[in-house]
Amino acid sequence: SQQGEEDPQALSIQEGENATMNCSYKTSINNLQWYRQNSGRGLVHLILIRSNEREKHSGRLRVTLDTSKKSSSLLITASRAADTASYFCATDGDGATNKLIFGTGTLLAVQP
Amino acid sequence: DGGITQSPKYLFRKEGQNVTLSCEQNLNHDAMYWYRQDPGQGLRLIYYSQIVNDFQKGDIAEGYSVSREKKESFPLTVTSAQKNPTAFYLCASSAQQGFNEKLFFGSGTQLSVL
Repeated sequence: SQQGEEDPQALSIQEGENATMNCSYKTSINNLQWYRQNSGRGLVHLILIRSNEREKHSGRLRVTLDTSKKSSSLLITASRAADTASYFCATDGDGATNKLIFGTGTLLAVQP
Repeated sequence: DGGITQSPKYLFRKEGQNVTLSCEQNLNHDAMYWYRQDPGQGLRLIYYSQIVNDFQKGDIAEGYSVSREKKESFPLTVTSAQKNPTAFYLCASSAQQGFNEKLFFGSGTQLSVL
């Protein structure tokens, strides 16, 4: 079963614009992670935010977490063509399932 | 360079054949995982191992088998019992036991049926 669902499924923007992706999940969590996947490659970890944190930054990435709404957002500022990839959120399901559960991903296309 | 190596990059399976996907890591991680990814979908957990000589089934273990004889290696066998094996297979590892740490992924193996 999918714990996280990203929205939108696909997003196309121009270089220099900001990109925002959202993730909704169903059960309580200890942490939420965001990963990036270039086409035909493995996933790369971007950022982890714990349930007691509301916002976290890493370079051009900003992640927010609202546990009351069971949602998270990933903002990429000043996007570049190289940011073109799929972005996945993953949650630990509060450890109850002992599994890291991935969402279905947002495909981001940044047009040069 | 430290990392996870998956091989081969592409693999073709004939009807009734078992095939094995290799996954090796030199990160000294305890935990290793196998995920299956179908087009346009998220990752689904096949098997995971928290320590050498121990492994657990994930959500879609039927038709797959694994072994963990060495800390560095976690091969996945796709057996003939797996009737729909065409997918992208990803191996991952994490430093700690459990699922609260970040995962490091290999570059994947694309398996297709002839």
